[in-house]
Amino acid sequence: DQQVKQNSPSLSVQEGRISILNCDYTNSMFDYFLWYKKYPAEGPTFLISISSIKDKNEDGRFTVFLNKSAKHLSLHIVPSQPGDSAVYFCAAPPVGGADGLTFGKGTHLIIQP
Amino acid sequence: DTEVTQTPKHLVMGMTNKKSLKCEQHMGHRAMYWYKQKAKKPPELMFVYSYEKLSINESVPSRFSPECPNSSLLNLHLHALQPEDSALYLCASSERSGDNTEAFFGQGTRLTVV
Repeated sequence: DQQVKQNSPSLSVQEGRISILNCDYTNSMFDYFLWYKKYPAEGPTFLISISSIKDKNEDGRFTVFLNKSAKHLSLHIVPSQPGDSAVYFCAAPPVGGADGLTFGKGTHLIIQP
Repeated sequence: DTEVTQTPKHLVMGMTNKKSLKCEQHMGHRAMYWYKQKAKKPPELMFVYSYEKLSINESVPSRFSPECPNSSLLNLHLHALQPEDSALYLCASSERSGDNTEAFFGQGTRLTVV
């Protein structure tokens, strides 16, 4: 059973516009979420995180929104740039003090010039 | 230094070979991880070391054997692998185990088993 879901395998956005990547989760006990960006043949790079006590966290062009009642989070990138083309993973640490990350399947973001 | 360094970057091995993947970090992190990523799939957790002790083994076959010689190094020993074990193997570290801090990933080792 997948606890972190990214239902869009790919997303194409024009350069300069807003990219919105979505993530849903099933475990209401998750209290922290992370977004990672991954280029081909490289390891994931941490982008931004959000704690469940917040509903928004912003870092430069990246903003993550959390809707706990809907068990949904989204990553907004504005303005989108060609270098943003990558696979984006939503992830959550397990509950109860365990370790490791559970990743969604990822969304391949393609920025069109 | 916010790097996790993995060697080698690429490895091709036969099913009877023994090889090792290496991972190193100098951020003072006390938790280190091995993940496996197949094409078009998310990374999947294999092992977690916390304070140099194996704390999680996600039912990984015994042909994969992790080792943590010290707080900066993590190895993954490979023996008698199968072609389906071909994947990108990612090492990661974080400040502490079980804490809500981000994990830093290495670039991975692309393993091909022939």
